[in-house]
Amino acid sequence: AQKITQTQPGMFVQEKEAVTLDCTYDTSDQSYGLFWYKQPSSGEMIFLIYQGSYDEQNATEGRYSLNFQKARKSANLVISASQLGDSAMYFCAMREPGNQFYFGTGTSLTVIP
Amino acid sequence: SQTIHQWPATLVQPVGSPLSLECTVEGTSNPNLYWYRQAAGRGLQLLFYSVGIGQISSEVPQNLSASRPQDRQFILSSKKLLLSDSGFYLCAWSLGTGHYYGYTFGSGTRLTVV
Repeated sequence: AQKITQTQPGMFVQEKEAVTLDCTYDTSDQSYGLFWYKQPSSGEMIFLIYQGSYDEQNATEGRYSLNFQKARKSANLVISASQLGDSAMYFCAMREPGNQFYFGTGTSLTVIP
Repeated sequence: SQTIHQWPATLVQPVGSPLSLECTVEGTSNPNLYWYRQAAGRGLQLLFYSVGIGQISSEVPQNLSASRPQDRQFILSSKKLLLSDSGFYLCAWSLGTGHYYGYTFGSGTRLTVV
């Protein structure tokens, strides 16, 4: 089974609107971390936000928030007030204890002016 | 603060030629180091990781190899490149193996084998 599933290959959002990028994960560990990375066309992977499995509150970082639903094993990224610079690939990732770090296949987000 | 440097940024190499990509980390000691490859429009594939000098673990059998000659230096090599080696190579580091440690990535190397 896939450890990280991102079912939206591509998404479009109007500038200044909010958008949700979906991510579901699969693990039997009690301790794990969930991460979102942004990859603009330049290629660099930029860390956006982290959520620990024991965190009860959803993580927020500026315009980014992570909608963490543990029972459903989902960790959706919400971007508020989209900007043109948000156009990029977005990767959801999970880390279990150890050296395993699992990435999803990514979602391409295009912000329309 | 910690920084990661990766070079070169782009590389065009003929089939059968050797390869050497270098990655260095500054501002930390004994980082965990990783090499990933990303084929065009696809996700990331872990190639190698290292938890210490001279310690290399390979995730995917192929004609690439990795070495860690110094604590904060990680090198990806090949003796003879194949067309299938084309892709975007990313180096990353992590402070440890706990689930709360994320990766910090280098800026990547875009390799085209012709």
